[in-house]
Amino acid sequence: AQSVTQPDIHITVSEGASLELRCNYSYGATPYLFWYVQSPGQGLQLLLKYFSGDTLVQGIKGFEAEFKRSQSSFNLRKPSVHWSDAAEYFCAVGVNNNDMRFGAGTRLTVKP
Amino acid sequence: DVKVTQSSRYLVKRTGEKVFLECVQDMDHENMFWYRQDPGLGLRLIYFSYDVKMKEKGDIPEGYSVSREKKERFSLILESASTNQTSMYLCASSFDGGDQPQHFGDGTRLSIL
Repeated sequence: AQSVTQPDIHITVSEGASLELRCNYSYGATPYLFWYVQSPGQGLQLLLKYFSGDTLVQGIKGFEAEFKRSQSSFNLRKPSVHWSDAAEYFCAVGVNNNDMRFGAGTRLTVKP
Repeated sequence: DVKVTQSSRYLVKRTGEKVFLECVQDMDHENMFWYRQDPGLGLRLIYFSYDVKMKEKGDIPEGYSVSREKKERFSLILESASTNQTSMYLCASSFDGGDQPQHFGDGTRLSIL
C-alpha cells in the first residue's frame, strides 16, 4: 500500500541554523514528489516538486530537496532558517490525480 | 496567481444539520479536491472531481457528498452533520496529471456541536 512517513512530528531549530525535514515513502513505482508548507490559518503552498532528472531540486524561499531512490526518501533542507519559516511542512507523493498521499506533517518552531 | 476561495473560514453547526462548504477556483483547473485535515493524520481525501458532474470517492467519503455543476465550483455537503466531522476542511484544484501540483484554499474550520 502507498504510504508517506514524516518521522518528526515537531522540530525546533535556532534562527540561522540549518534544517532538514525527513520524508520516506512506500510506493510501487517512483511517484511524483512534493513538499508543501502551511502557515497558521492558511492552506498549503507548494515549495518544490520532483518528477525526474537531477535528484536535487530547488524550490521557493531558499528550500531544496534531494530524492534518494535507494532510500525511498525525499528530504527537505534549508541552509539557514529564518523566523518566518515557522510553519507546518507536508511531504506528498503520488502518481495520479486521485492518489496523492500526504504525510502527517512536521511542525517547525524557530527559536530567536 | 491561482486563487482557490473557500466560502467560510469558520463555521459552527449543530448535529443533524445539513452543511454546505463551497469552493471556487479561478484557473480553469479540471480537477478539484476536498480534503479533511486532522492533527497527526495529515490530509485525507474525501472526494475528487475531474470534470463537471464527475466525481470519485476518496479515502473517507462516508457521511459526505459533493456537487460540481460548474467547472469552477466544487461543493462539499455533510448530509447530517455529526460531532466526529468537526475538523479543518481544505479545498484544492489542479490541472490534469499526477505531476501537477495542487493549489489550496485557506481552509474552513468546521465545528459541529
